[in-house]
Amino acid sequence: IQLTQSPSSLSASVGDRVTITCRASQGIRSYLAWYQQKPGKAPNLLIYDASTLQSGVPSRFSGSGSGTDFTLTISRLQPEDFATYYCQQRNTYPLYTFGQGTKLEIK
Amino acid sequence: EVQLVQSGAEVKKPGESLKISCKGSGYSFTSYWIGWVRQMPGKGLEWMGIIYPGDSETTYSPSFKGQVTISADKSISTAYLQWSSLKASDSAMYYCARLPEDDDDYWGQGTLVTVSS
Repeated sequence: IQLTQSPSSLSASVGDRVTITCRASQGIRSYLAWYQQKPGKAPNLLIYDASTLQSGVPSRFSGSGSGTDFTLTISRLQPEDFATYYCQQRNTYPLYTFGQGTKLEIK
Repeated sequence: EVQLVQSGAEVKKPGESLKISCKGSGYSFTSYWIGWVRQMPGKGLEWMGIIYPGDSETTYSPSFKGQVTISADKSISTAYLQWSSLKASDSAMYYCARLPEDDDDYWGQGTLVTVSS
């Protein structure tokens, strides 16, 4: 299963609302997760099962979708949100592939 | 507390062999799959392969089959990723990660491998 994220990079300002999309090459039900990664650090889980927020993750993050089309939305960007975001499909046990990433930069 | 602790950074020459490790603690090591993820400089995350330490069942992503070997020693709760002949293109950060299940998601700190003549 291939995952295609768009855009590959995005410039935005603090306080903006941003949306990242992830499209799967075949249906994956709701078995999609979103990660945030900062330079030099391991990825950090934000959302699983397409829309369930991981404990401790701010409520400005939200996810939606099922089947082949998914979105991650950050409602009001904070300075600490500038990072790279990856989607991951968890449908093909036990090999869970990632999208190519979306780099979110400060405008 | 679940922890995955990886071995330290490595600098190797092309053609050399290498084995890096990932030690699990705080949980039943034999009951959870552990995978390896490659991140080349400035690039994305690639799931390389995964092992179930309980019976050593191993699955590789097609891009990595035959290029690396994943193994585990359950007596010391440690998973391994090894190369028999490194190439410059193997230079990357390598993470081990327990196979995620819902919000259950654990990663090692990463091992940087540099291959250079």
